[in-house]
Amino acid sequence: NAGVTQTPKFQVLKTGQSMTLQCAQDMNHEYMSWYRQDPGMGLRLIHYSVGAGITDQGEVPNGYNVSRSTTEDFPLRLLSAAPSQTSVYFCASSKTGSGETQYFGPGTRLLVL
Amino acid sequence: EDQVTQSPEALRLQEGESSSLNCSYTVSGLRGLFWYRQDPGKGPEFLFTLYSAGEEKEKERLKATLTKKESFLHITAPKPEDSATYLCAVMTTDSWGKFQFGAGTQVVVTP
Repeated sequence: NAGVTQTPKFQVLKTGQSMTLQCAQDMNHEYMSWYRQDPGMGLRLIHYSVGAGITDQGEVPNGYNVSRSTTEDFPLRLLSAAPSQTSVYFCASSKTGSGETQYFGPGTRLLVL
Repeated sequence: EDQVTQSPEALRLQEGESSSLNCSYTVSGLRGLFWYRQDPGKGPEFLFTLYSAGEEKEKERLKATLTKKESFLHITAPKPEDSATYLCAVMTTDSWGKFQFGAGTQVVVTP
């Protein structure tokens, strides 16, 4: 099993550009989530999904969109990037989201100029 | 408002010098408390889940405990390979699926 994979590993964007961060898992997990990690602030939940076709907002959803068309994939879209979105983004998955082991991807480092 | 606070922010230990990290939480109702380890440039790695006060979990040199207000991660006789940032997170009973993380404690163990 590859576990949770994320692409790209690093991206530089200009303000106003759009992009999609990819996340995939091969563990047949129903629950997937996106976090951003900024220095001194820990991980903050952006959006999460409890199954295909079901998504919900986390703590910091503004400026980000998600969709979940398959169990395996959970892409994160930035429609119009802003410097405040410079961060490291992590995708995670777990079987149901009720508190069992959550597996994280390696992260995507995003710089918005 | 739910809060998760970790202390200290950073901890420098000599190899073999045992210590404890603290995760205090203020939540309406606790569904679970989770500990993760994060190495530089990598995603967090799951360590423990604790569900109720009095519960304890152990793994090698790490032991996690839980009370009604806080959790401790005890590191016994640490080795340099225990150097990492340790994160705690909570899930409350009225926010299923939402994990709230603390800012983490950065641990450095020197030989």
